[in-house]
Amino acid sequence: DTAVSQTPKYLVTQMGNDKSIKCEQNLGHDTMYWYKQDSKKFLKIMFSYNNKELIINETVPNRFSPKSPDKAHLNLHINSLELGDSAVYFCASSQGGLAGKETQYFGPGTRLLVL
Amino acid sequence: GEDVEQSLFLSVREGDSSVINCTYTDSSSTYLYWYKQEPGAGLQLLTYIFSNMDMKQDQRLTVLLNKKDKHLSLRIADTQTGDSAIYFCAESPNSGGYQKVTFGTGTKLQVIP
Repeated sequence: DTAVSQTPKYLVTQMGNDKSIKCEQNLGHDTMYWYKQDSKKFLKIMFSYNNKELIINETVPNRFSPKSPDKAHLNLHINSLELGDSAVYFCASSQGGLAGKETQYFGPGTRLLVL
Repeated sequence: GEDVEQSLFLSVREGDSSVINCTYTDSSSTYLYWYKQEPGAGLQLLTYIFSNMDMKQDQRLTVLLNKKDKHLSLRIADTQTGDSAIYFCAESPNSGGYQKVTFGTGTKLQVIP
């Protein structure tokens, strides 16, 4: 069974469209994250939720809106897609999220290409 | 803010040792991690070290930490072609609050048969 899963795996869309990426974890973890990895492989945290509550919100355009319906799911909705949004988006989860030794488990990534 | 730097590329011959280096700026870093990303996949934790340790060994992997110089290294002994991947150094402060892990720029390791 996949621990952290994301859908879709690939997403190709036109500029200006609105799209969503879904993430689910079956590890029973309390904390989930969204990361963006650009073409140079730089990995940046975007958001983090603990028990459905937003705890980390980095400087991200407000076109990006995370939603956590329950602690096993963290979805990412993107409005008015721009060319610069093209990247690989990784979802991750960890047990508690408190500072310290908290292994993060990553999903396989969603490759978004905006044309 | 926190900054974690790595060299972007390393090429070694199969059977040699690989050493991947990382420097960080946050003096409050408590946990330091090494993650591996294989092509087309997500990141997987390889190992971690707590800041009061100088060294940690796990089979072919050796992590060395120089806290004074804020330098972390990952040594892979007897490097195999399956070790070809991008390796990310990461750090997490003990801020007492929720964890925010800062990842390095990643080092692409190429193993030549």
